[in-house]
Amino acid sequence: ETGVTQTPRHLVMGMTNKKSLKCEQHLGHNAMYWYKQSAKKPLELMFVYNFKEQTENNSVPSRFSPECPNSSHLFLHLHTLQPEDSALYLCASSQGTGMDTEAFFGQGTRLTVV
Amino acid sequence: DQQVKQNSPSLSVQEGRISILNCDYTNSMFDYFLWYKKYPAEGPTFLISISSIKDKNEDGRFTVFLNKSAKHLSLHIVPSQPGDSAVYFCAARSQEAAGNKLTFGGGTRVLVKP
Repeated sequence: ETGVTQTPRHLVMGMTNKKSLKCEQHLGHNAMYWYKQSAKKPLELMFVYNFKEQTENNSVPSRFSPECPNSSHLFLHLHTLQPEDSALYLCASSQGTGMDTEAFFGQGTRLTVV
Repeated sequence: DQQVKQNSPSLSVQEGRISILNCDYTNSMFDYFLWYKKYPAEGPTFLISISSIKDKNEDGRFTVFLNKSAKHLSLHIVPSQPGDSAVYFCAARSQEAAGNKLTFGGGTRVLVKP
């Protein structure tokens, strides 16, 4: 139990579908993140939320739409994705965004776009 | 252009011996470095970190060394155990980046043979 829970663990969706990934953290953290790990590529930061406010959008296409209703929940809404968007999507949280704070990761959602 | 590189994609070591994982970075603004460990089907878990004001940090069997002039850090695991078999990611954070933004290396897969 990492304290960061992601659902679903696996998702297969068509290019015209709309789906959402959910992340919930039970650690009392204030910051939450979405990362993407494509095959044979490093983990890439997508979005950062601090106290429910988006503080970073790492040039992510608009077909990915994050939502952070409160500090414990983070969503990633998916719409008209492409097959190259197939990847492992990881949520993370941290206590604040300052020095000496490590990020705790969820188990990830393995997304396949067909 | 990858700012954090792990040039060895894999490493095989005998149980009881030392595992040495290397990581190089290019951004001189990085001031905090972390190592994460990842088992299959799980998210990365935090292992150990080091601030740029230090050159060594030790936690049990794990020691991280930082050579700022060479922009190089390494993780030593001694003695290596079969349960250490996993993918290890080096990550770095820039003092100019807001929101605990981590830049990851591509990972090194470690196999500890009994």
